[in-house]
Amino acid sequence: QQQVKQSPQSLIVQKGGISIINCAYENTAFDYFPWYQQFPGKGPALLIAIRPDVSEKKEGRFTISFNKSAKQFSLHIMDSQPGDSATYFCAASRDTGKLIFGQGTTLQVKP
Amino acid sequence: DTGVSQDPRHKITKRGQNVTFRCDPISEHNRLYWYRQTLGQGPEFLTYFQNEAQLEKSRLLSDRFSAERPKGSFSTLEIQRTEQGDSAMYLCASSLAAAGEQYFGPGTRLTVT
Repeated sequence: QQQVKQSPQSLIVQKGGISIINCAYENTAFDYFPWYQQFPGKGPALLIAIRPDVSEKKEGRFTISFNKSAKQFSLHIMDSQPGDSATYFCAASRDTGKLIFGQGTTLQVKP
Repeated sequence: DTGVSQDPRHKITKRGQNVTFRCDPISEHNRLYWYRQTLGQGPEFLTYFQNEAQLEKSRLLSDRFSAERPKGSFSTLEIQRTEQGDSAMYLCASSLAAAGEQYFGPGTRLTVT
């Protein structure tokens, strides 16, 4: 019940395209869902996060879509750029506690 | 705001040696978390503190691991009698207790030979 499942494992997108990464969870007590971006040799950087009281949140080119009934959430990167090439992790937590991370998605944006 | 800092950035040690890592959180953050990340995987929770109190420890945290946050500011993570399986990136994160957003440091890369 603590797992967060992330797909796809890797993704190749053309510059200017839309990158979509999906996550699913089982524990209905989770109440906070962030996305992190990680470059090789660096720590994860918080991109955007959502709570279950809204179905969508947008910040710049990044959008989270949240489906509470399906227990799924996704990250959409609009107008993908080569600089977006990185590993993306979804995560979930309860009561602002420890984060449970997905397995990660390696995104490559081709120029 | 200088962000979360970790020291050292890299540590190479021989099996059986003890190692200690330090984490300095964002100054006003009262929660501090330790995670471990192996190659190709997402970070895994180890333990966290609120102020100086250690509130939760993962089953991943064997008896060889100990963490402290003595004055509610910086934290140390010690690994005794290191094993090759301890080789990983050790990440520290901090947050405000009521906020949820966790900000990560650059990590300490441990290699056990």
